Amino acid sequence: ILNVEQSPQSLHVQEGDSTNFTCSFPSSNFYALHWYRWETAKSPEALFVMTLNGDEKKKGRISATLNTKEGYSYLYIKGSQPEDSATYLCASNTDKLIFGTGTRLQVFP
Amino acid sequence: KAGVTQTPRYLIKTRGQQVTLSCSPISGHRSVSWYQQTPGQGLQFLFEYFSETQRNKGNFPGRFSGRQFSNSRSEMNVSTLELGDSALYLCASSLTTGSSYNEQFFGPGTRLTVL
Repeated sequence: ILNVEQSPQSLHVQEGDSTNFTCSFPSSNFYALHWYRWETAKSPEALFVMTLNGDEKKKGRISATLNTKEGYSYLYIKGSQPEDSATYLCASNTDKLIFGTGTRLQVFP
Repeated sequence: KAGVTQTPRYLIKTRGQQVTLSCSPISGHRSVSWYQQTPGQGLQFLFEYFSETQRNKGNFPGRFSGRQFSNSRSEMNVSTLELGDSALYLCASSLTTGSSYNEQFFGPGTRLTVL
């Protein structure tokens, strides 16, 4: 993998559903993996910064895991709420942040 | 603590003109990075400044330049504007440089339209 790739590109779920997204990144020269949430008309907001293989981080209903050996991270949202609607970006830090194109999540009431 | 501020928020220019965008980082942050976002593209890294020195540069033409002042404020300049330069330009500040694990704090962005 040469670039940071995210899937799916977009996701529509019902309120209460749990969902997850994938971020794939080059595993060489790896420093850290960042997750950001970007709501419309706002600035990207950091969710997690993960560095170690096997790292798991949690913030409320949102959690993330990291596998640096195979170069992927998962972001999970449990019991999605309409306020979770946003674009979720991951970025691989290899001395500079290389962003994926994001997963656009829409949660319908 | 005040967040990252960017000025102006919106800008309309014509092809061939030049533009300067400004970014004031969070107090105490010494690193400022600039990103470009165009439709369908992720955030593309432009450059990073740390302690008034450019320490990293993305894959953009020389028309894109920047600088950082002693108070950590940064400016980005684009000369000879092209239609394809229309984009949202975001700056982000962090305590230390890109090779650290610090999260970056983003400003609201400057929306540049080139006609």
